Amino acid sequence: QLQLRESGPGVVKPSETLSLTCTVSGGSINNSPHYWAWVRQPPGKGLEWLGSVFYTDINYNNPSFKSRVTISVDTSKNQFSLNLTSVTAADAAFYYCARHASYDTYYFDLWGLGALVAVSS
Amino acid sequence: TVMTQSPATLSASPGERVSLSCRASQSVGIKLAWYQQRPGQAPRLLIYDASTRATGIPARFIGSGAGTEFTLSISSLQSEDVAVYYCQQYNHWPRPETFGQGTKVEIK
Repeated sequence: QLQLRESGPGVVKPSETLSLTCTVSGGSINNSPHYWAWVRQPPGKGLEWLGSVFYTDINYNNPSFKSRVTISVDTSKNQFSLNLTSVTAADAAFYYCARHASYDTYYFDLWGLGALVAVSS
Repeated sequence: TVMTQSPATLSASPGERVSLSCRASQSVGIKLAWYQQRPGQAPRLLIYDASTRATGIPARFIGSGAGTEFTLSISSLQSEDVAVYYCQQYNHWPRPETFGQGTKVEIK
């Protein structure tokens, strides 16, 4: 069955860029009728949507992050990625990749296991 | 659209029926999902379209409501139901505040 797995550095320095990749297995992103998303969760706190991308690279980002968030897709690798620039301690969190139910139905029907990212010099 | 969940924490005995509330600041129709996040795990989808159980979700999880008032009921609380439950609206998309702040369910 379809599975999502996050990968990337577990620690990022303040002011640098956090980069994570989500690898999709058991199915193809290309021509898939789903948006793919990133959601984060600071330890002990709630869920926060960061942004979503379609296989054509059309994306929607949470405006709360101004222009710090970039989400892209690489269909040749069956992956999509998150870049979050100028990180601070407030960006330390579990980062989950997830799948929207369809291109026009935006609940999340599948989640990765999550990746914990700390911000520390 | 701001989603407000109550209570923040709920404690009940095994076998009890519990009800969790989710309120939207404006109507979301039935475009409301519920997620369960057990300790140390990723969230998982429980309910979508306010009342449709996702694949493999036990029948004791019951979603109801429409418009601005929604309820997730667990008809007979089990130990494995200890978790934080989040609601999410997807009628107005994209929106930053798509999730509620969560309700933590504990066993007495």
